[in-house]
Amino acid sequence: ETGVTQTPRHLVMGMTNKKSLKCEQHLGHNAMYWYKQSAKKPLELMFVYSLEERVENNSVPSRFSPECPNSSHLFLHLHTLQPEDSALYLCASSQVVRTGGDYGYTFGSGTRLTVV
Amino acid sequence: TQLLEQSPQFLSIQEGENLTVYCNSSSVFSSLQWYRQEPGEGPVLLVTVVTGGEVKKLKRLTFQFGDARKDSSLHITAAQPGDTGLYLCAGARGNDYKLSFGAGTTVTVRA
Repeated sequence: ETGVTQTPRHLVMGMTNKKSLKCEQHLGHNAMYWYKQSAKKPLELMFVYSLEERVENNSVPSRFSPECPNSSHLFLHLHTLQPEDSALYLCASSQVVRTGGDYGYTFGSGTRLTVV
Repeated sequence: TQLLEQSPQFLSIQEGENLTVYCNSSSVFSSLQWYRQEPGEGPVLLVTVVTGGEVKKLKRLTFQFGDARKDSSLHITAAQPGDTGLYLCAGARGNDYKLSFGAGTTVTVRA
């Protein structure tokens, strides 16, 4: 496979469940991201892992926890979510070039999460 | 307030018409990108612009970066139903590789 692959594509979970989203990139990129996309709102950066740093958006609740075991895999662990967490969760990867250039992201198809 | 403001929020046109969507900010960006997102899919990168005043063309799509590198526009000539989607602009400031996204413009091209 090529590109960025996210699983599952759809997830319905209760507020007491624990689940994980998975992302895998086959592009040799050195940075991976989790974004939340809600209707009519800009993409919200949740977490970043790169060779140089891990970045967290301080507004993301602790019920979301990321894991990046290597440069090709990224997980988002979910527990005790709320209905307002229902959204499309997008994973992306990029090649970070500090000296400038194309910072283009490659996105996965996303996981549509519904919390009931 | 959003770092990048996109307008209009929605745009519905007939096949063959032209359209322009805008991306504005009070901040200076070292690079600005445009993505298109179709329903049920992730955004796909269309173009990156890095030089103030730069114009790039991709078939019927023309992208322009403002001279001051604070704004950008996307113009589609003779739109087709396949151009339907959510158009997102995203910018990087300074040496930061993390992008800030606008809320997007939903474009619908009717056959």
